[in-house]
Amino acid sequence: AAGVIQSPRHLIKEKRETATLKCYPIPRHDTVYWYQQGPGQDPQFLISFYEKMQSDKGSIPDRFSAQQFSDYHSELNMSSLELGDSALYFCASSLGQGFQGTEAFFGQGTRLTVV
Amino acid sequence: AQSVTQLDSHVSVSEGTPVLLRCNYSSSYSPSLFWYVQHPNKGLQLLLKYTSAATLVKGINGFEAEFKKSETSFHLTKPSAHMSDAAEYFCVVSDPKLIFGAGTRLAVHP
Repeated sequence: AAGVIQSPRHLIKEKRETATLKCYPIPRHDTVYWYQQGPGQDPQFLISFYEKMQSDKGSIPDRFSAQQFSDYHSELNMSSLELGDSALYFCASSLGQGFQGTEAFFGQGTRLTVV
Repeated sequence: AQSVTQLDSHVSVSEGTPVLLRCNYSSSYSPSLFWYVQHPNKGLQLLLKYTSAATLVKGINGFEAEFKKSETSFHLTKPSAHMSDAAEYFCVVSDPKLIFGAGTRLAVHP
């Protein structure tokens, strides 16, 4: 079965550079969530989209932006990268706006290293 | 606001012995609760979910969890640990976005 696809899997950037992470949800899933997981940390919610509209916002820095496109894939844009942005970035998708009764499926993550 | 608290940051068991990973939740209404597992350098895999149906939930790989409203708990158990169970386990509540507990690292010794 198709899963959530994230690209790239690994990314190395220098400070102050920009990065774009992509997420392709499971077919027919209309909701996408982005999470950031620092080393030894639990995943922290960044932002979510339902039907191409932002549905919720968490601890996402102003330097980051995201959107969901007409084909439901999502991109997380990160500018003015800082060393502290080094983390594993997960995308998850689900069918419907809420998780009530509907589990979220996670991608393998993009490991971003800022040097 | 909903939240979950995982009571143990590390749990160590011997192979073949039972596993108990503890989770308490805080919610103003009937929550949806999940357990996810994360193997080293891997993504998050759903083990099981509770969504107000049966209070005893069976998941993959022999894991199960029991929702106890009176104790606001959703502990994860497995009768017999296997070496491949060594991983990080997250108790999660939906808000509806997923809110993660701090995680419990399970070590399994021969």
